[in-house]
Amino acid sequence: DQQVKQNSPSLSVQEGRISILNCDYTNSMFDYFLWYKKYPAEGPTFLISISSIKDKNEDGRFTVFLNKSAKHLSLHIVPSQPGDSAVYFCAASSGGYQKVTFGTGTKLQVIP
Amino acid sequence: DVKVTQSSRYLVKRTGEKVFLECVQDMDHENMFWYRQDPGLGLRLIYFSYDVKMKEKGDIPEGYSVSREKKERFSLILESASTNQTSMYLCASSKRQGLEKLFFGSGTQLSVL
Repeated sequence: DQQVKQNSPSLSVQEGRISILNCDYTNSMFDYFLWYKKYPAEGPTFLISISSIKDKNEDGRFTVFLNKSAKHLSLHIVPSQPGDSAVYFCAASSGGYQKVTFGTGTKLQVIP
Repeated sequence: DVKVTQSSRYLVKRTGEKVFLECVQDMDHENMFWYRQDPGLGLRLIYFSYDVKMKEKGDIPEGYSVSREKKERFSLILESASTNQTSMYLCASSKRQGLEKLFFGSGTQLSVL
């Protein structure tokens, strides 16, 4: 049962344009959401997070939006750069000592 | 910076062998995790630990066990390796209060023949 879903396995975007990565979840108990980035031959690295009490969080070129009613979140990267090419994982948890559940990942390719 | 070190980058084992994957973190984190990454399935949690000698099952614990005798070290054990355990294994750690922000190692690509 996939509680965190990333329905787009891959995405290609031109350099300088906006990249939008989407994520849906089914567990209404999730209250904290994160995005991780993974380059080949490296472990995932934390990118940005958002609490369920917010609907937007911004960090430089990266913005995460949360729509609780739709159980949907998205990651916007503006402007996209070739170095952003990586696999992006959406993740969610229900806080406290609960485990973090990851999505299946979206491979982003930014074309120079 | 947090450093999470996994003992092997690549590992090839035979079916039925007992396999040990080792992970060490140097930031005094209380929490440690083992995930596996498979194409189309993302990262799936195998086991995690909130303290020395404590362990909790994740989503796919079958065929695996873990050991945490010291705070900095978390071992994943495949009791009798099978071909369906061929995968990328990722270790992670986090502070107790920052559970969700995981710091990952570079991974161990295990092939079971």
